[in-house]
Amino acid sequence: KQEVTQIPAALSVPEGENLVLNCSFTDSAIYNLQWFRQDPGKGLTSLLLIQSSQREQTSGRLNASLDKSSGRSTLYIAASQPGDSATYLCAVRRGSGNTGKLIFGQGTTLQVKP
Amino acid sequence: NAGVTQTPKFQVLKTGQSMTLQCAQDMNHEYMSWYRQDPGMGLRLIHYSVGAGITDQGEVPNGYNVSRSTTEDFPLRLLSAAPSQTSVYFCASSYSATRVGARSYNEQFFGPGTRLTVL
Repeated sequence: KQEVTQIPAALSVPEGENLVLNCSFTDSAIYNLQWFRQDPGKGLTSLLLIQSSQREQTSGRLNASLDKSSGRSTLYIAASQPGDSATYLCAVRRGSGNTGKLIFGQGTTLQVKP
Repeated sequence: NAGVTQTPKFQVLKTGQSMTLQCAQDMNHEYMSWYRQDPGMGLRLIHYSVGAGITDQGEVPNGYNVSRSTTEDFPLRLLSAAPSQTSVYFCASSYSATRVGARSYNEQFFGPGTRLTVL
């Protein structure tokens, strides 16, 4: 059974710091991995998607990496800003991807202090 | 495109009442899913559909029904609401994995959620 774990559960950093959020999964047979952002009381906003054949994806100050063999992904946020404060979720799409089902981690709640 | 839309945004029910949560998408996505989000439990899959007329159960399907008569709509029905169904419900959609091409074809898009309280 696929399990997704995110460490740490919460993180507080001063503005301007570079930081890394971790996501691990138990079954390496994934179709892709997606990072989401969720603001309090809001829905999920997709940040980055990495296909199983890819090693990393970048969007602005965000960089996500994937090491399928070790069951790990990281989300790197450069030069963090107070506006980055949110909960970050990773989710894996299983196997052949032919159902669209996602397995989510519990999330990392990030606070960036001015 | 409106993306994925959900109605209502908030709902309060009494135990035993029934209701339907609406979900629609205008991106011609084959895949649609319903998740619930609870503190300490994360997001869990309730039901999903890989196309019109095809639905299947997810991780926590008990107490919920779904149908998919069109590509655009995927309503979630609570048959007899229970306090344990108090949660935030999210609908999601994406293209089929058999579509090839741009990275975004495989991206899942989520609706804004419905916050349900069962008294």
